[in-house]
Amino acid sequence: RKEVEQDPGPFNVPEGATVAFNCTYSNSASQSFFWYRQDCRKEPKLLMSVYSSGNEDGRFTAQLNRASQYISLLIRDSKLSDSATYLCVVGGNNAGNMLTFGGGTRLMVKP
Amino acid sequence: DAMVIQNPRYQVTQFGKPVTLSCSQTLNHNVMYWYQQKSSQAPKLLFHYYDKDFNNEADTPDNFQSRRPNTSFCFLDIRSPGLGDAAMYLCATSRGALETQYFGPGTRLLVL
Repeated sequence: RKEVEQDPGPFNVPEGATVAFNCTYSNSASQSFFWYRQDCRKEPKLLMSVYSSGNEDGRFTAQLNRASQYISLLIRDSKLSDSATYLCVVGGNNAGNMLTFGGGTRLMVKP
Repeated sequence: DAMVIQNPRYQVTQFGKPVTLSCSQTLNHNVMYWYQQKSSQAPKLLFHYYDKDFNNEADTPDNFQSRRPNTSFCFLDIRSPGLGDAAMYLCATSRGALETQYFGPGTRLLVL
């Protein structure tokens, strides 16, 4: 089992749609969780941290389910500019106690 | 204002010719990382420095070395690049090991 696993997609959705991604992690002792966004041929950029109680930032909502060891990202009212790869990042998931990146989920929002 | 700077943005080298990539930061972060990212794959951690303490990932080839002469700068040396080393190399920084990482724009390496 991969340490941090994501559906690679692509998710093709129309503008205005709601889309959700899940990410599973292998170590129940993991301590920190993030969603990063990466545009084609650019560096990853922090989208949002994920807190135990769940958190929202505008159209984006992140949830953590420790019992089932997954985090989720919900995007409402998708915009063309949301097209990117979304990377799930989990901290404290491995022996080195570093952040581990998932392979990313590609989202394409179409007009 | 750029916070994590990488130079050069594009690097072309010949098979077997040593190459050095550089990274600098203005965040005064304790931790600096080097990642390798190939197309459609997750960033792969090569090594990191916590202050001056160097930490190598177990599967990082010996061909890859790093130096951190001071808090602000970190270098990636590839001693004998092979065709398989062509990738995007990302530098990142963070205050602590499990905290948010901030990435530089990356250096895209091409090996001929």
